[in-house]
Amino acid sequence: GAGVSQSPSNKVTEKGKDVELRCDPISGHTALYWYRQSLGQGLEFLIYFQGNSAPDKSGLPSDRFSAERTGGSVSTLTIQRTQQEDSAVYLCASSPPPVASGEQYFGPGTRLTVT
Amino acid sequence: SQQGEEDPQALSIQEGENATMNCSYKTSINNLQWYRQNSGRGLVHLILIRSNEREKHSGRLRVTLDTSKKSSSLLITASRAADTASYFCATRDTGANSKLTFGKGITLSVRP
Repeated sequence: GAGVSQSPSNKVTEKGKDVELRCDPISGHTALYWYRQSLGQGLEFLIYFQGNSAPDKSGLPSDRFSAERTGGSVSTLTIQRTQQEDSAVYLCASSPPPVASGEQYFGPGTRLTVT
Repeated sequence: SQQGEEDPQALSIQEGENATMNCSYKTSINNLQWYRQNSGRGLVHLILIRSNEREKHSGRLRVTLDTSKKSSSLLITASRAADTASYFCATRDTGANSKLTFGKGITLSVRP
């Protein structure tokens, strides 16, 4: 079946502009995660959605970052007034119930470059 | 803060040799997982070991978990050039939140 998809695959934007990154999780997966990975680094957790529960936003680095998940499926990560340090690969992952399984399925990522 | 810390940071071996990668963590966990990443894009789940398990096998992969030492190892036997990638360990803590915490990764190069 279809895996996690993300769009766009690459995004180049000017400093100060807003960007929206999209994630389509695997159908039926109740949990959705956003991560950020800077060049040569590990994954930095950003935000986690689980069903109808309030999202865990503890990883968002600043109030310029926000995310929503509509209808329990598609998610959009928005970065306002982008800065050069926001340049990174943004990865989305989803996981099926039961939540306790913990295995995550990743999308190919969106490479964001802020000039 | 980083939970999983992999060791070594980089590993270079000859095709056919075994590759051993280690991961240490700090808190109590529900499970530990290993992922592989090619070319800095999406990660692929390799294997999951639960806190009550000590060893698990999947094909050429063998993972061990020592909860008393808070450490895990991933062994890839008979390595191939195609195994060249970055490998990450990730831990899921014992709380209700299923958030995974990833290490910084190990870069494995397998020379043909």
